[in-house]
Amino acid sequence: QLQLRESGPGLVKPSETLSLTCTVSGGTISINTYYWGWIRQAPGRGLEWIGEIFYSGTTYYNPSLKSRVTISIDTSRTQFSLKLDSVTAADTAVYYCASGLFDSKGTWGQGALVTVSS
Amino acid sequence: QSALTQPASVSGSPGQSITISCSGSNSDIGGYDYVSWYQQHPGKAPKLLIYDVTNRPSGVSDRFSGSKSGNTASLTISGLQAEDEADYYCSSYTVTTTKGVLFGGGTKLTVL
Repeated sequence: QLQLRESGPGLVKPSETLSLTCTVSGGTISINTYYWGWIRQAPGRGLEWIGEIFYSGTTYYNPSLKSRVTISIDTSRTQFSLKLDSVTAADTAVYYCASGLFDSKGTWGQGALVTVSS
Repeated sequence: QSALTQPASVSGSPGQSITISCSGSNSDIGGYDYVSWYQQHPGKAPKLLIYDVTNRPSGVSDRFSGSKSGNTASLTISGLQAEDEADYYCSSYTVTTTKGVLFGGGTKLTVL
């Protein structure tokens, strides 16, 4: 059974880069029908799609975040990663990695809280 | 990209049925049959309930059903149970300058 787990710093300073990694276990990351995505949820708020990547490396980003986001994939390490540049307090959120079809994600990680604060 | 529109809250008594709406536009819900619904309990990751408007993943109760009419999608929960109390989110495939995903603002379901 596919499992995902987010990892990375829980505290990031304003203007710095947020970096998270999602490790995939129980399956292959090179499934040619699956997309690997990042979704975040600010405290007390709803879900926000950040973007996703196909195993081939093709990426899709939320237009509102596109200038600051990079999603990459390492098939040899069965991991995919998120980088968000120039963070502010507004980027404080629980960040989830998830997998599935482009528009629907059946498997989610537990979530990682990232706080932006000096 | 604007979020899809959901009611902030709905409520129902055990055994009743409730419906949560999700309104969008021709660029998302109305243009594609790629609407999904998620259930999220406090402190937990979302769980996929419905995909492609009407399909349930394996293991999801048939008390959950989805539908769509025009630019509005709906999630119906029949035979409400206490454990159904949670937040529910719709999402839809969308295409503007590129393809992407939109989420609704979420609906808090209270089981009375």
